[in-house]
Amino acid sequence: GQQVMQIPQYQHVQEGEDFTTYCNSSTTLSNIQWYKQRPGGHPVFLIQLVKSGEVKKQKRLTFQFGEAKKNSSLHITATQTTDVGTYFCAGTPMDSNYQLIWGAGTKLIIKP
Amino acid sequence: EAQVTQNPRYLITVTGKKLTVTCSQNMNHEYMSWYRQDPGLGLRQIYYSMNVEVTDKGDVPEGYKVSRKEKRNFPLILESPSPNQTSLYFCASSLQGRKNIQYFGAGTRLSVL
Repeated sequence: GQQVMQIPQYQHVQEGEDFTTYCNSSTTLSNIQWYKQRPGGHPVFLIQLVKSGEVKKQKRLTFQFGEAKKNSSLHITATQTTDVGTYFCAGTPMDSNYQLIWGAGTKLIIKP
Repeated sequence: EAQVTQNPRYLITVTGKKLTVTCSQNMNHEYMSWYRQDPGLGLRQIYYSMNVEVTDKGDVPEGYKVSRKEKRNFPLILESPSPNQTSLYFCASSLQGRKNIQYFGAGTRLSVL
């Protein structure tokens, strides 16, 4: 079936290091959304990408949508403790009425 | 304040005892859905509703029921809960559907003994 693979499952970084999570879809997507879930919290919308090759920035966060609209990435520069949480991608398949396909999430852990 | 409200936040129950988790949104959203979240599996959709009286199965509907009699409410019903339904549940709503921003409730942590 349709799925979105998200890697890595966990990433441990020192504060100040960069962080990247990748999503790869088995099907072409019409758009992709990114969400952040803080520990003990609920997913909160970060951004939506719609266009092929689109790049969007939010301060230290950079989001990319692949040219083929099947992959996406989120890169955080110089992580801070406030970045801790799990980041999810969610894609809308282009050619079906299937609902949002969610990645399994990448948990960002800051090493003490 | 625009929000999605779930109740209860925490629930411990026993196998077979029917329960309902309520979800209400005040944003006049057409689309509502229920997810369960389990470690390593991310968010899996249980049921969704495109509008009043219109519901459909998601990825993991077995053992769950829903209804959408009013636009603002979308309760999740477990007729006969089993231990494998122990999970963290989220209700979400969006303006018109899957392409729109999903707004999530705070979650309901359910334990079935």
